[in-house]
Amino acid sequence: DAGVIQSPRHEVTEMGQEVTLRCKPISGHNSLFWYRQTMMRGLELLIYFNNNVPIDDSGMPEDRFSAKMPNASFSTLKIQPSEPRDSAVYFCASSFPSGGAAKNIQYFGAGTRLSVL
Amino acid sequence: AQSVAQPEDQVNVAEGNPLTVKCTYSVSGNPYLFWYVQYPNRGLQFLLKYITGDNLVKGSYGFEAEFNKSQTSFHLKKPSALVSDSALYFCAVTHGGSQGNLIFGKGTKLSVKP
Repeated sequence: DAGVIQSPRHEVTEMGQEVTLRCKPISGHNSLFWYRQTMMRGLELLIYFNNNVPIDDSGMPEDRFSAKMPNASFSTLKIQPSEPRDSAVYFCASSFPSGGAAKNIQYFGAGTRLSVL
Repeated sequence: AQSVAQPEDQVNVAEGNPLTVKCTYSVSGNPYLFWYVQYPNRGLQFLLKYITGDNLVKGSYGFEAEFNKSQTSFHLKKPSALVSDSALYFCAVTHGGSQGNLIFGKGTKLSVKP
């Protein structure tokens, strides 16, 4: 398996622009997580899905952020409009909560480094 | 509410010496505990986990962790540190009834000097 795949790896945009980050979870995993990592705030959980349904979005900073999971193999995190304070590394992770020895282990993608100028 | 504390922002160790990265937790019910490592410009990688059973858990790259229920701790250890172990280490917790979401600590930077 190729692991969790995120795209793009790097994104540079200007303030006010729309940004869409993409994630393909590991096949067979039914939970998907979006995190944000910054030096100041560390690793923050933004939202997570179980079986494509959003379970907890309390970590989403504000209405400018939205996430979707239209099917089991794809998710997006959208920021509109983007602001300089959104600059961070965004990680996607997937897991199989009921999965035997792999129960609750989250597998992370390589991340998307977002810079908003 | 669940929480994880990593009391040290940074741990410095000489190569060949034993290392310990500390973690304490608070959770309702039986804890599921995890350690992850993050190398520069990479995602987090799973190292080891404790669900039940033997309190000493062995994981990747020679790391191990000891679950201590009375002290609510899950410290990460390695008998002999390598320079290549230098990275950011995260402790995480959840519980048996969760839907898979982990609560992560703020991370501890491990620096191993030759």
